[in-house]
Amino acid sequence: QQPVQSPQAVILREGEDAVINCSSSKALYSVHWYRQKHGEAPVFLMILLKGGEQKGHEKISASFNEKKQQSSLYLTASQLSYSGTYFCGTDAFSGGYNKLIFGAGTRLAVHP
Amino acid sequence: ETGVTQTPRHLVMGMTNKKSLKCEQHLGHNAMYWYKQSAKKPLELMFVYNFKEQTENNSVPSRFSPECPNSSHLFLHLHTLQPEDSALYLCASSSQTSGGTDTQYFGPGTRLTVL
Repeated sequence: QQPVQSPQAVILREGEDAVINCSSSKALYSVHWYRQKHGEAPVFLMILLKGGEQKGHEKISASFNEKKQQSSLYLTASQLSYSGTYFCGTDAFSGGYNKLIFGAGTRLAVHP
Repeated sequence: ETGVTQTPRHLVMGMTNKKSLKCEQHLGHNAMYWYKQSAKKPLELMFVYNFKEQTENNSVPSRFSPECPNSSHLFLHLHTLQPEDSALYLCASSSQTSGGTDTQYFGPGTRLTVL
């Protein structure tokens, strides 16, 4: 039930691009993306709902393909501040309410 | 204060101690969550409360006892813990609606070390 993230880790030089993937074995209603810097709480980046819409915030964007049951996070022209661990969360209904199941995370390190 | 706050930020305890973690959210949300995050492991959901009612207990050992007196406060009572319980404990909240999905906002976490 836990979504699978790939790759596990990425090392970039400032200005390079990266793609982080999140796939699920079951149908998805939504995908949430979070970033966690070392020693800090996870911070919400964006949510993608069923419909295949693409969202973006500055140079970070994401797509959601519900047919393929996967989402991808695109980091363009990476900055040092992008370093951290990126988690995707997929929804799972339980007891009439929704909860998020998080992937294992992708560690991103951006170097000068 | 805004957002989700957690106290204490760091806690060291022996296996025979009893301690409590506190979480408070100032966002007007109705759902609150406890997660455990160990080194190199994904976020593990422990408990979920909706409108003060526990709706999820993810097979958590009884040495962890949650308490939710109202929609803004969440506690995690700890007793007779094991060294493998050492981890970062994160609290989160959201505007949970039945069957809906919503963003979770996390607190800074409590770094727990069990000796």
